[in-house]
Amino acid sequence: LAKTTQPISMDSYEGQEVNITCSHNNIATNDYITWYQQFPSQGPRFIIQGYKTKVTNEVASLFIPADRKSSTLSLPRVSLSDTAVYYCLVTDTGRRALTFGSGTRLQVQP
Amino acid sequence: DSGVTQTPKHLITATGQRVTLRCSPRSGDLSVYWYQQSLDQGLQFLIQYYNGEERAKGNILERFSAQQFPDLHSELNLSSLELGDSALYFCASSTSGTVQETQYFGPGTRLLVL
Repeated sequence: LAKTTQPISMDSYEGQEVNITCSHNNIATNDYITWYQQFPSQGPRFIIQGYKTKVTNEVASLFIPADRKSSTLSLPRVSLSDTAVYYCLVTDTGRRALTFGSGTRLQVQP
Repeated sequence: DSGVTQTPKHLITATGQRVTLRCSPRSGDLSVYWYQQSLDQGLQFLIQYYNGEERAKGNILERFSAQQFPDLHSELNLSSLELGDSALYFCASSTSGTVQETQYFGPGTRLLVL
């Protein structure tokens, strides 16, 4: 089971770019990297998923180096509403469910 | 709004009691997952159903059980409740239940056991 490690918390200011890095040293060949966002007392919400190189959607980018042992979620120009917990998950094809770690608590200040 | 609905929103009960949480998946989704989130344990996967059949089991206690009905809604039954069962219970759904698929989470049911 590929375990993930990410910072417990991060602080930023409105308008800045935020990069959250996650390490997953023993990721397997068929595993994908997925990020979810969770606001207090709400269910997690899918942000982005990737396998290698770079993936971009309307809310974030995901950078995955060639060795895939880490990944970086990039949030451009954060706002106060981006204050949330961000979870990095490795979707292990050998398992049938998501394994959530402790996540990174992002606090955006004005 | 994810399209997943959960009822009730809040539930307060006493130790030893039994409660039922209900989840309706997004239209078209065949798979339902149940998760428990408590302050000290984080988000824990409990159980998954796909088209009425149990597909995967996580850290679900023997006092807990679930089922998925022909109309695809699911119920999570919690019995002999203990103080430590107080938590947020989330239901999620996905189309075919593969682990790489996006899971859509409901708003959760907050359970308080007194």
